[in-house]
Amino acid sequence: DAGVTQSPTHLIKTRGQQVTLRCSPISGHKSVSWYQQVLGQGPQFIFQYYEKEERGRGNFPDRFSARQFPNYSSELNVNALLLGDSALYLCASSLRTDFTYEQYFGPGTRLTVT
Amino acid sequence: GQSLEQPSEVTAVEGAIVQINCTYQTSGFYGLSWYQQHDGGAPTFLSYNGLDGLEETGRFSSFLSRSDSYGYLLLQELQMKDSASYFCAVRDLSNQGGKLIFGQGTELSVKP
Repeated sequence: DAGVTQSPTHLIKTRGQQVTLRCSPISGHKSVSWYQQVLGQGPQFIFQYYEKEERGRGNFPDRFSARQFPNYSSELNVNALLLGDSALYLCASSLRTDFTYEQYFGPGTRLTVT
Repeated sequence: GQSLEQPSEVTAVEGAIVQINCTYQTSGFYGLSWYQQHDGGAPTFLSYNGLDGLEETGRFSSFLSRSDSYGYLLLQELQMKDSASYFCAVRDLSNQGGKLIFGQGTELSVKP
C-alpha cells in the first residue's frame, strides 16, 4: 500500500502570493491533518478534516484554509504569504479523529517564502 | 493554555539506555503519544499511552502518570540509527475541536 503522498516536494514563493499544497492519504483513511513545522521545533497543528468536514483547527490566521475532497485527499491553501510562513508542511492521515491511533505522516512540502 | 516540556537534547552511547521525559499542561487530557523524526524525514509513530502505566514495543517503552502530568519514552540497547528527534504529543479538546499538540522535541545523539 502506498503511504501518504504530498505535492509538491519543494516550493518557492514570493511574499503576498498564494500557495496550494496537496495531500493524498493512505487508502481507507478518512482523517487528514495538516501541520506546520519550523526548523528546530515540533509540528504545529493547523487543521483536521474527516469526511470532508473540519474537525479541529489550530491557532493559525484566516489566511490558512483547507478542504477535503470526496476521495479524502486534501488541499491546504495559504494566502498573502509572509516570510514567517516558510516551513515544512506535513500532512498526516489516520483511521480515526481522536489522535489515539497512529498518524501516518507524508514526507512534507518544503515552502520557502522570499 | 497547553504546553509540553521535554529536554532539548540528550546524548548517549551505543548499547545504553536513555529516558526522555515529557511533562504536560493541557485543558483536557486524552493520552500521550510519541513520535520519532529523522533529519529531513517524516515523523513516525512510536507509541501511545491512554492510561497510566508502561507500554512496551520492542526496544522502546513509554510510561504515563496522569496524576503527575508526566510521561517518558525509554529507549533500550541504543543503536546509531536511533539518533533522531523525539516528540511527545497530547490530544487537546477545545471549542475549536480536537487538536494534537506537540512538544518542541528532544534531539537524541547516539555516540559509538
